[in-house]
Formats: sequence, structure tokens, C-alpha cells
Amino acid sequence: EVQLLESGGGLVQPGGSLRLSCAASGFSFRTYAMNWVRQAPGKGLEWVSVISGSGGSSFYADSVKGRFAISRDNSKSTLSLQMNSLRAEDTGIYYCAKGIAVAGTLWASNWFDPWGQGTLVTVSS
Amino acid sequence: EIEMTQSPATLSVSPGERATLSCRASQSVGSNLAWYQQKPGQAPRLLIHGASARATGIPARFSGSGSGTEFTLTISSLQSEDFAVYYCHQYSDWPPYTFGQGTKLEIK
Repeated sequence: EVQLLESGGGLVQPGGSLRLSCAASGFSFRTYAMNWVRQAPGKGLEWVSVISGSGGSSFYADSVKGRFAISRDNSKSTLSLQMNSLRAEDTGIYYCAKGIAVAGTLWASNWFDPWGQGTLVTVSS
Repeated sequence: EIEMTQSPATLSVSPGERATLSCRASQSVGSNLAWYQQKPGQAPRLLIHGASARATGIPARFSGSGSGTEFTLTISSLQSEDFAVYYCHQYSDWPPYTFGQGTKLEIK
């Protein structure tokens, strides 16, 4: 069974930093792109970042570019999101999600399945 | 950036009836469209990918259709467990991937 388990969320002051982790199991981790998607309280879904299976390519939403960094450790089947210069608008639940693409298509043309249970990040003074 | 617009924002339907949810893209996404279901306090769950392919374990009462800019998610006979929020997601043009704002399906 594929499982994704996020950790690392918490309360942080504006301008502070936080590192999220996502532990993956049940599939060949290095084969799949991985994503972070967030959801502000009572709001919809917002994609944050994606990283290729090798870790050699990544993309970011404009709202986090230059402040967040995605990475992965394929030897430990772990995905990470380093979040710096945090703002109140970064508050929300952060989900990691496995990316699936049709064979023969671009690696990042992926839908998300499954999703972890999420970890809550609160940026407040 | 491709904008995804879902309608209606809220849909009230009685159990056993059919529900039809719409999603429109600001430009063509081909068939690169997924649907997710989210219940309160839970993570989203994939229902449909490729505009019309049901994900593993998803009941046959869920069906997706459309291509280009117009998409539909149909739930043929609503069960109590189907009342939730539904999101569409385009993965044709990235970054960024974009989601619709969601349709809340509530019991009438």
C-alpha cells in the first residue's frame, strides 16, 4: 500500500523558517515525481512545488519562488520542503502528493495520487 | 497561467439523484484534467484522470467527460458518502498546475 506521511508543521513567526518532510513507502520512490500542495484554512487547493524522480529538476509557484526549496533523498524515500521568509499567507495545510504521468509524456505532466494526510503550518506572531 | 473555473460553487442534490459538476479552462488543456474529492478533515482523493479515466477503486457511478476547455464530472446516483467538495486540476501547462476553486456538493 502506498503511504505518504508528512511531518514538520507547526507555529512559526513571520520571517521564520520551517522544514517539512514527507516519508514515502509502498512504491519505488525514485521513479516518481513528487509534489507539495497547500490549502489555506477554508480555502481551495494551491500547488506549491514539484520535483522530478531523480531530483534534478524542480518547479515552483510564483508565490513561493525564491523562498521555498524542494528536495528529495531517494535513499531514504523522503521528500522535503524548506520554507524560509515565511509570511502569514503561507498558513495552511501542506500535503505531499505522488505525481503520476502517462508513459512517454513529459515527467511533470502529472496528476496527484495519493496524497498524504497533511501537516499544518501556522505563520503568526 | 491557465485559470480553472468550476460551477456551480455549491450544488444541492438529493440522495439517489444525479449530480453534474462543471469545470472550464481558460485555454485548452487537451485531456490533461483530473478530478479530486475532499471530505472535511481529509486529504483530497483522486477520482478521475485523463478527463475520463476512473482511478483505482473509484465506483462506476463517477464518470468524467470533456476535452479542451469544457469538462464535466457526473455522479449518477448520489450516495451519502459522496457529499463533499470536488476540485478539478489541469496538468497540461505548467508551472503552475492549477485547480478550480471547488464545488461543494451538499444534501438537499
